[in-house]
Amino acid sequence: DTEVTQTPKHLVMGMTNKKSLKCEQHMGHRAMYWYKQKAKKPPELMFVYSYEKLSINESVPSRFSPECPNSSLLNLHLHALQPEDSALYLCASSQDLRAGTGAGEQFFGPGTRLTVL
Amino acid sequence: AQKITQTQPGMFVQEKEAVTLDCTYDTSDPSYGLFWYKQPSSGEMIFLIYQGSYDQQNATEGRYSLNFQKARKSANLVISASQLGDSAMYFCAMRERGGADGLTFGKGTHLIIQP
Repeated sequence: DTEVTQTPKHLVMGMTNKKSLKCEQHMGHRAMYWYKQKAKKPPELMFVYSYEKLSINESVPSRFSPECPNSSLLNLHLHALQPEDSALYLCASSQDLRAGTGAGEQFFGPGTRLTVL
Repeated sequence: AQKITQTQPGMFVQEKEAVTLDCTYDTSDPSYGLFWYKQPSSGEMIFLIYQGSYDQQNATEGRYSLNFQKARKSANLVISASQLGDSAMYFCAMRERGGADGLTFGKGTHLIIQP
């Protein structure tokens, strides 16, 4: 299984709502990532989890809260978002480079298109 | 300073022709990886090919090859015999082992294959 799944595919929420994005992989990868991609721009790294621990937070506002319940799942909890947070949110996973094997290529899910009204 | 530079915002190519997408990079880390991803209009990022900084030979994957010129810090993607389905955004990305685990992406090249 070389697939990363993300739910929901589309999400529309108001600025006062609380919602969560979900990501799942069954490739045995121990590194998982959240990226944000605005229209016609490259993806930008938000968070990195390595062995279920948050290892990188790229100065993301606290209205985005990541969670890694286990090695296969990654969530992104959303609260009090702004319209400028509307974007495609991509989840990815890879082998941890410390394992010393493979290229560490990241496999991406299909993304969640988020619209904040 | 940009770590990954893609100088071609858009390209139009005739079907069945070969395509070269340019990518230059900047790093002081001796150990790094270079990746190319394809992103169709559906949004999914599809991994195409990888080149490690210590690899002696250029990477190849089917119709994709990577022209790696380390001294010039260049990692161009070559697509042979282009197909209509190759129309998409193409991103060059770098991962530095000594730094963050995330990928740093270039701005991308929008490739359109014409029949």
